[in-house]
Amino acid sequence: DAGVIQSPRHEVTEMGQEVTLRCKPISGHDYLFWYRQTMMRGLELLIYFNNNVPIDDSGMPEDRFSAKMPNASFSTLKIQPSEPRDSAVYFCASSWSTTPNRPQYFGPGTRLTVL
Amino acid sequence: GNSVTQMEGPVTLSEEAFLTINCTYTATGYPSLFWYVQYPGEGLQLLLKATKADDKGSNKGFEATYRKETTSFHLEKGSVQVSDSAVYFCALFSGNTPLVFGKGTRLSVIA
Repeated sequence: DAGVIQSPRHEVTEMGQEVTLRCKPISGHDYLFWYRQTMMRGLELLIYFNNNVPIDDSGMPEDRFSAKMPNASFSTLKIQPSEPRDSAVYFCASSWSTTPNRPQYFGPGTRLTVL
Repeated sequence: GNSVTQMEGPVTLSEEAFLTINCTYTATGYPSLFWYVQYPGEGLQLLLKATKADDKGSNKGFEATYRKETTSFHLEKGSVQVSDSAVYFCALFSGNTPLVFGKGTRLSVIA
């Protein structure tokens, strides 16, 4: 089975540019999570969806960040405009509500560098 | 609220040494507990889990026992290898909320 797919794997952009990160969850999973990982702050939950509906976006740092899930097999995380402090690795994860304890399955991450 | 506290790293061990990474938790109800591992350049992978008190999760030579009386889920391995070098995250699931992760402990194993 294909795992969680993220694209691009690496992104280098300049301050002020728009950045879009993409995620395809595991087929059949109904929860999708976006995380950010930095050395300073560790792993932070940004937002999560259930059945394509955003449930909790309290971790989204600013209005510059937005996330969508137009269908069960695709989600985007957008940063506009980007800033150097947004440089981090962004992970997408998915899980099944019908699986007890709901372990999450992570994608390989997108390493974002904002110059 | 729910929270996980794990020992700060980095932890540096010689090959074949014994490993313990401490994890304690605070939770309402009866949480399920997990250890995830993140190898360099990769996402987190589920390593093992335990869903009730006194359960022992095990995988790849790693073990952790769910201790309700001490609210702990310490990760152990009897003989570490260089290939075990990674960041290890303790996590819990309780109620209807997403997994709560600890800050991670970096392990470096030297030959």
